[in-house]
Amino acid sequence: SQKIEQNSEALNIQEGKTATLTCNYTNYSPAYLQWYRQDPGRGPVFLLLIRENEKEKRKERLKVTFDTTLKQSLFHITASQPADSATYLCALDAPRDSSYKLIFGSGTRLLVRP
Amino acid sequence: DTAVSQTPKYLVTQMGNDKSIKCEQNLGHDTMYWYKQDSKKFLKIMFSYNNKELIINETVPNRFSPKSPDKAHLNLHINSLELGDSAVYFCASSTGQGASYEQYFGPGTRLTVT
Repeated sequence: SQKIEQNSEALNIQEGKTATLTCNYTNYSPAYLQWYRQDPGRGPVFLLLIRENEKEKRKERLKVTFDTTLKQSLFHITASQPADSATYLCALDAPRDSSYKLIFGSGTRLLVRP
Repeated sequence: DTAVSQTPKYLVTQMGNDKSIKCEQNLGHDTMYWYKQDSKKFLKIMFSYNNKELIINETVPNRFSPKSPDKAHLNLHINSLELGDSAVYFCASSTGQGASYEQYFGPGTRLTVT
């Protein structure tokens, strides 16, 4: 069955450093991968979308890579700030013979220390 | 301006009761969703409507019944509530169907069944 794995342990880094979060998937061939940010008590907020034929996507301090061979996406936040502390969710489209839906990982919590 | 709104924010009720959660989006989107986020933070699709037509209906007990009176509204009615229904329910919307579209989430409704 399809599986999405994000590190369940919180990532704790110093302000100014680059945060790197990992999203691994198995038994998938997603055409799209999305990243969302979720703050406590709030709904997820869309950050970036990357297509299977794109290796990398950037938006301000954010960068996402998509390696279909390794079945992995990396999400980077450069020059991290305490305000970046949140849970980050990756989401992939379901297998091509399925309906139009996103499958979400359980998220990785990021803590940026001042 | 609130893009995707849900009411109520909190809902505490007893087993066996029937309750409804309302969702409205003012983004002009064609597609709306209901998600359930459990205590382990997994965000799972329940239903999706496109232009008031049901397009995704996951394996959800038939005690859950969505209703879309128009494109801007998607309500969720739950009959005979059970303890296991306790979770945070998120409404979301997107301009179109499929994983190539970013989704906009509401603030969530925390349902507690006692």
